[in-house]
Amino acid sequence: GAVVSQHPSRVICKSGTSVKIECRSLDFQATTMFWYRQFPKQSLMLMATSNEGSKATYEQGVEKDKFLINHASLTLSTLTVTSAHPEDSSFYICSARDREFSTNEKLFFGSGTQLSVL
Amino acid sequence: GQQVMQIPQYQHVQEGEDFTTYCNSSTTLSNIQWYKQRPGGHPVFLIQLVKSGEVKKQKRLTFQFGEAKKNSSLHITATQTTDVGTYFCAGQNTGFQKLVFGTGTRLLVSP
Repeated sequence: GAVVSQHPSRVICKSGTSVKIECRSLDFQATTMFWYRQFPKQSLMLMATSNEGSKATYEQGVEKDKFLINHASLTLSTLTVTSAHPEDSSFYICSARDREFSTNEKLFFGSGTQLSVL
Repeated sequence: GQQVMQIPQYQHVQEGEDFTTYCNSSTTLSNIQWYKQRPGGHPVFLIQLVKSGEVKKQKRLTFQFGEAKKNSSLHITATQTTDVGTYFCAGQNTGFQKLVFGTGTRLLVSP
């Protein structure tokens, strides 16, 4: 099946620094990628939809200047958490949909990034 | 906005017992998907249901999509310890790309 690689898997940073998370589709092209956030024992909350070559669409309540998303190619989307604070500590997961399929298709998930801000 | 709720939040069963989780959407869906997330892992796709009243089976798992396309269920027959994890339904509205995840049901199976 399709593979989505997410890096890094775990990051610990100091408050005020920026952290970049990469999400790559390894064997398919993804015109659309989704970024989710998950707190312990909770559901996945959609943060934004990343479209190749255009601006990301952010969900209500998600600060676009804090969570910068770039989808520069059909295989790579990045999420940068700027000026991270302890409340940004969470599990961030990306997902992608193969462009060959219609919108009614399953998502392939990356393995997630556990961000801890000290 | 669209909300997708699941019940129960948590269930602890003995190995061999059956298990069911129910999923309800506040809006009519074009399709519903089910994912399983093991502790410490990421969600893994199980199945997609598209048609009203659709029923699909995967070995011991039975998935159902309601007639009104607003609810769904996942039933596991004779649970095994390998079934442990959190089961999420995820719904998609017609014309929208995004998938909204349900609140999840955490299943614990004791041997």
